[in-house]
Amino acid sequence: DQQVKQNSPSLSVQEGRISILNCDYTNSMFDYFLWYKKYPAEGPTFLISISSIKDKNEDGRFTVFLNKSAKHLSLHIVPSQPGDSAVYFCAAVGDYGGSQGNLIFGKGTKLSVKP
Amino acid sequence: DGGITQSPKYLFRKEGQNVTLSCEQNLNHDAMYWYRQDPGQGLRLIYYSQIVNDFQKGDIAEGYSVSREKKESFPLTVTSAQKNPTAFYLCASSTDRRSYNEQFFGPGTRLTVL
Repeated sequence: DQQVKQNSPSLSVQEGRISILNCDYTNSMFDYFLWYKKYPAEGPTFLISISSIKDKNEDGRFTVFLNKSAKHLSLHIVPSQPGDSAVYFCAAVGDYGGSQGNLIFGKGTKLSVKP
Repeated sequence: DGGITQSPKYLFRKEGQNVTLSCEQNLNHDAMYWYRQDPGQGLRLIYYSQIVNDFQKGDIAEGYSVSREKKESFPLTVTSAQKNPTAFYLCASSTDRRSYNEQFFGPGTRLTVL
């Protein structure tokens, strides 16, 4: 059963507009979340993270929002640029059982930013 | 330049053969990981290692083996027991395995079984 869900496999946005990528999780033990960006045939690169003690973290054009009660987080990219076109993975870290510190990944959302 | 290298980028093997994927890092990281990515899927953890000479199974370890004889190196062997080995394999490392540490990924190896 998936513990980290990205229910939108793809998203298409016009250049300059806002991109919103969503992620839901089921395990309330998760206490740290990360977003990774991945281009085809390359390894993912870290984008931004958020701890469960915060509800927002901002880094330039990228902002991550966390709603703990809803077990939901979102990544906002403003303004979107064609170079942002990639697959975005949401990942969670939790201290539970023997998997302390391991990342649990969602299936990813493919973002296409059109000029 | 510090980073993680994986070789080769593309690898082909015949069914029934074992194959070893290389992963080297010069970031002085204690923890290393192997993931597998399939089309339309997230990354799934195969094995991880917190420290030299120690490693643990991840979620999909069956048919795989690893070793961690040196801090810098964490090779993954895909054995003939792995029923569906064709996939994109990613190696990662982090400072340690405590929470709140990002993982750095290598460029990946695409393995195709013929």
